[in-house]
Amino acid sequence: EVQLVESGGGLIQRGGSLRLSCAASGFSVSGHYMTWVRQAPGKGLEWVSVMQSGGSTYYADSVKGRFTISRDTSNNTLYLQMNSLRVEDTAVYYCARPFSGWAFYMDVWGKGSTVTVAS
Amino acid sequence: SSVLTQPPSVSVAPGQTARITCGGNNIGSKSVHWYQQKPGQAPVVVVYDDSDRPSGIPERFSGSHSGNTATLTISRVEAGDEADYHCQVWEISSVHPEFGGGTKLTVL
Repeated sequence: EVQLVESGGGLIQRGGSLRLSCAASGFSVSGHYMTWVRQAPGKGLEWVSVMQSGGSTYYADSVKGRFTISRDTSNNTLYLQMNSLRVEDTAVYYCARPFSGWAFYMDVWGKGSTVTVAS
Repeated sequence: SSVLTQPPSVSVAPGQTARITCGGNNIGSKSVHWYQQKPGQAPVVVVYDDSDRPSGIPERFSGSHSGNTATLTISRVEAGDEADYHCQVWEISSVHPEFGGGTKLTVL
């Protein structure tokens, strides 16, 4: 079964760091684009970061320079290292697998990991 | 703010038809995807590539695209359709997805 399971969220003070993990099963993270998407309380979806299958990485302007996406092929896991956290980074963070049809859409999502940044 | 524009809310009585729109510059040339998100759950794709449905999604869910507006249509609305709906585009030539602000569908 194709599945994504996030972990690593929690309550953190402003300026702190957290690392989110997204364990994949049923497919290889290195063979697919992967993405992190977040949703602040009561808000819509916002893309955070993308890692292409070839390893290229991209970040939303709001997190550039503070967040780093990476993957470990040995344990088939995607990561999001979050540094210098701000109150506005408070959100549920989802990892998702983009699928390529005529364009990309996310066909597999994790259940999400909640990050709360306290002031 | 979102690049794609959706109405914040749509209300419809059971059995009626709900239409949720998604607009944006140059959206006419892009494939639009739609997600359903129920409270406390992750999004689930209900329509992809403008009008295709994944297996397991009822035929009551359909998508269309005309000019700079894409529309998700839900026919014979049921109480269980009450959820937030998000539109999304991500062209192969682009490095990241774009999302609409989401629409809350209320079944009266």
